[in-house]
Amino acid sequence: DIVMTQSPDSLAVSLGERATINCKSSQTVLYSSNNKNYLAWFQQKPGQPPKLLIYWASTRESGVPDRFSGSGSGTDFTLTISSLQAEDVAVYYCQQHYSTPFTFGPGTKVDIK
Amino acid sequence: EVQLVESGGGLVQPGGSLRLSCAASGFTFSSYAMSWIRQTPGKGLEWVSAISGSAGSTYYADSVKGRFTISRDNSENTLYLQMNSLRAEDTALYYCAKSAGNSCYSPVDYWGQGTLVTVSS
Repeated sequence: DIVMTQSPDSLAVSLGERATINCKSSQTVLYSSNNKNYLAWFQQKPGQPPKLLIYWASTRESGVPDRFSGSGSGTDFTLTISSLQAEDVAVYYCQQHYSTPFTFGPGTKVDIK
Repeated sequence: EVQLVESGGGLVQPGGSLRLSCAASGFTFSSYAMSWIRQTPGKGLEWVSAISGSAGSTYYADSVKGRFTISRDNSENTLYLQMNSLRAEDTALYYCAKSAGNSCYSPVDYWGQGTLVTVSS
């Protein structure tokens, strides 16, 4: 199984400041035949299901604010919130869908400082 | 608008069975792979099973293989999860999720609100 790790476990950022979340997979999630990273980022707010933010590691889902961006390839990935807003308080998860079982990271809780 | 509405959760004794359903609307159901994903406070998000749009491919987590069966009725736009031999560790909020393509390897782009399964005597 591919093990997904995230860092940090939690972070508190001032409004308008940058938040950076890291995700690492135990093996590559880059499919060489199509050069796509099978890595997605989700945001989950209390009492709600997760919401897709980023797929293929760096493609923003329709309707997601452009302050959210994803980067990385292979085994190391980053989700960046360029200017944190109050509504971004949530838990963020990465997930690989490269090989079954499609595993999730443990989540990173983002709060306001 | 994509809508996924789960039902069928509840309290069941260890060793018992439950059948979860997910009614889908707002998209061409047969064209998209679907998944079940569960969440617990202790273990976080755990992918359970996935099925391709045509139902030709199914996949399971090792923790449920041989006990759970995923299926779909494309004429009724409904996804199912038959859960047998339930264990306490199957207690979770079960989400139905839609993939962005026909393949199970497509990213998940929509989630339902979830249905709670509690396995306890």
